[in-house]
Amino acid sequence: QQPVQSPQAVILREGEDAVINCSSSKALYSVHWYRQKHGEAPIFLMILLKGGEQKGHDKISASFNEKKQQSSLYLTASQLSYSGTYFCGTENSGNTPLVFGKGTRLSVIA
Amino acid sequence: DTGVSQDPRHKITKRGQNVTFRCDPISEHNRLYWYRQTLGQGPEFLTYFQNEAQLEKSRLLSDRFSAERPKGSFSTLEIQRTEQGDSAMYLCASSLRREAPEAFFGQGTRLTVV
Repeated sequence: QQPVQSPQAVILREGEDAVINCSSSKALYSVHWYRQKHGEAPIFLMILLKGGEQKGHDKISASFNEKKQQSSLYLTASQLSYSGTYFCGTENSGNTPLVFGKGTRLSVIA
Repeated sequence: DTGVSQDPRHKITKRGQNVTFRCDPISEHNRLYWYRQTLGQGPEFLTYFQNEAQLEKSRLLSDRFSAERPKGSFSTLEIQRTEQGDSAMYLCASSLRREAPEAFFGQGTRLTVV
């Protein structure tokens, strides 16, 4: 079952913050976040496995709600290098494939 | 280890021809995924393997598509009788289940059917 991402696109000025959401109608086993730049492969950012989990590095962090049906990716004090398309990938169980949302295109401008 | 490797990086073929792509996962990764991605879309799941066993194949996938992973190492994806609609980036990803479930992608094979 494909997760739903929102918003579809967002434009930020350098230094602004953004939140990208990923949701499912059923509880998830895991949520994976990736960033993809044009013409390149998706790059792994982080994975969340536990309800209520929060994880992050530098100024990019993510959370997984208690019911394990929604995850949010937080980008703070955005930099030009944050531009790209962000995808969440989800697993319904440990024995189901990783399925991706349609992506959120993030553009950071000077 | 150099990561997930895919070959070729680009393939141009005439409609009706067969093509085969290869993916070498990160060493000892036991799960391997194939995805297809078109411009502006997310990676679309095609199939995946746990070691040499093919666990699931997308119901949207035509019978012209087949994948193998002999001996649980590298994998091949074959498309028979290619159509223009098959033009896309074909991505492979691998992960080490349980121990480290995060999946890492290769650079992809861009297929153009003319």
